[in-house]
Amino acid sequence: GENVEQHPSTLSVQEGDSAVIKCTYSDSASNYFPWYKQELGKRPQLIIDIRSNVGEKKDQRIAVTLNKTAKHFSLHITETQPEDSAVYFCAARGNTGGFKTIFGAGTRLFVKA
Amino acid sequence: GAVVSQHPSWVICKSGTSVKIECRSLDFQATTMFWYRQFPKQSLMLMATSNEGSKATYEQGVEKDKFLINHASLTLSTLTVTSAHPEDSSFYICSATGTLDQPQHFGDGTRLSIL
Repeated sequence: GENVEQHPSTLSVQEGDSAVIKCTYSDSASNYFPWYKQELGKRPQLIIDIRSNVGEKKDQRIAVTLNKTAKHFSLHITETQPEDSAVYFCAARGNTGGFKTIFGAGTRLFVKA
Repeated sequence: GAVVSQHPSWVICKSGTSVKIECRSLDFQATTMFWYRQFPKQSLMLMATSNEGSKATYEQGVEKDKFLINHASLTLSTLTVTSAHPEDSSFYICSATGTLDQPQHFGDGTRLSIL
């Protein structure tokens, strides 16, 4: 089955700096890669996603890149703000196996003011 | 749009009690719902996938007789933790999707504490 690895587990940046979180996946059939932000005790919220027919997608301060050949994808947050502090999860999903979404272990991002 | 409601948000009960958690899609028809379990400072672990009108598909290591899932309609799935014990204490989150090429939308989660 699919396995998603995520790094780093913890990331601390100064306000205004950029943050990068990287993930790799194992199943080459995966074709949809969402990123979720989860604040303490709350639901995961979708912040951006990318499909396998696209190499990069951007939404204001957030961008995601996908390298299908290497089977890795990354989240880039620019001009970080304290409210970006949260746990971020990458995930991968394919068209088989019940369309299960498998999550990475998560990255705890701290943005210092 | 795409709102998923989950109830209750918090449950505290004695060991041996069975607990039912509801997951509802409020403004769309959810053909597929997923149930996750999340321990503190850990990731979301998929427990099972449920499709309306059929039996749930459980992930390896998840006891189907312990975690009963029912997806009786296109807007409601329930998870019943039977004879709950302290080790079942966790954060349980459901998600739903209308069509399988669309993102999942999560409920607010249920924090279950078994004394």
